[in-house]
Amino acid sequence: DAGITQSPRYKITETGRQVTLMCHQTWSHSYMFWYRQDLGHGLRLIYYSAAADITDKGEVPDGYVVSRSKTENFPLTLESATRSQTSVYFCASSGVGGIQPQHFGDGTRLSIL
Amino acid sequence: GESVGLHLPTLSVQEGDNSIINCAYSNSASDYFIWYKQESGKGPQFIIDIRSNMDKRQGQRVTVLLNKTVKHLSLQIAATQPGDSAVYFCAEKGGNNRLAFGKGNQVVVIP
Repeated sequence: DAGITQSPRYKITETGRQVTLMCHQTWSHSYMFWYRQDLGHGLRLIYYSAAADITDKGEVPDGYVVSRSKTENFPLTLESATRSQTSVYFCASSGVGGIQPQHFGDGTRLSIL
Repeated sequence: GESVGLHLPTLSVQEGDNSIINCAYSNSASDYFIWYKQESGKGPQFIIDIRSNMDKRQGQRVTVLLNKTVKHLSLQIAATQPGDSAVYFCAEKGGNNRLAFGKGNQVVVIP
């Protein structure tokens, strides 16, 4: 029962670099989500996807790009990393139907120097 | 791991006592609510959910109460154990399956 896995767990990079965070789920859930978690802000939605090839912006999308070519994968790319994007990133998924909880991965801790 | 509990409201509870964590939500049209638990270095873990057509729902050692009149949600943990030490978030469902999360409450269990 793999559930939802994120990789890498930890990443250090430099400003201006491109970095991609991976998210994979084995439940065939339709919905997938990316959040960032920062002290004082809680969980903030970056992007979400209702199905393969359907993505939409969340609360804080600037500086991020997502794609969803396959139902099970939802990578998040920082095209040119900035220090303000240092954070813990969580991926989540949920089934279709409206009344279902989101299930989270264990996060990627990203530090941008 | 990162301490997501810093600067959060903190509830200190003696082991074996009951805990009550409160949450105010904003959208009177929300029809679904969830409580999550987050331990240090881990992702939020689903605890229990409740639909707006219910006032109360019970799980294993946990009970969620919903008061729609005052837009208030609470989580009760019976016989709190050291493993219950964590940050607890409430969330309300908006459109497109999106969730709006509260800031969280830190629970510290004193042995």
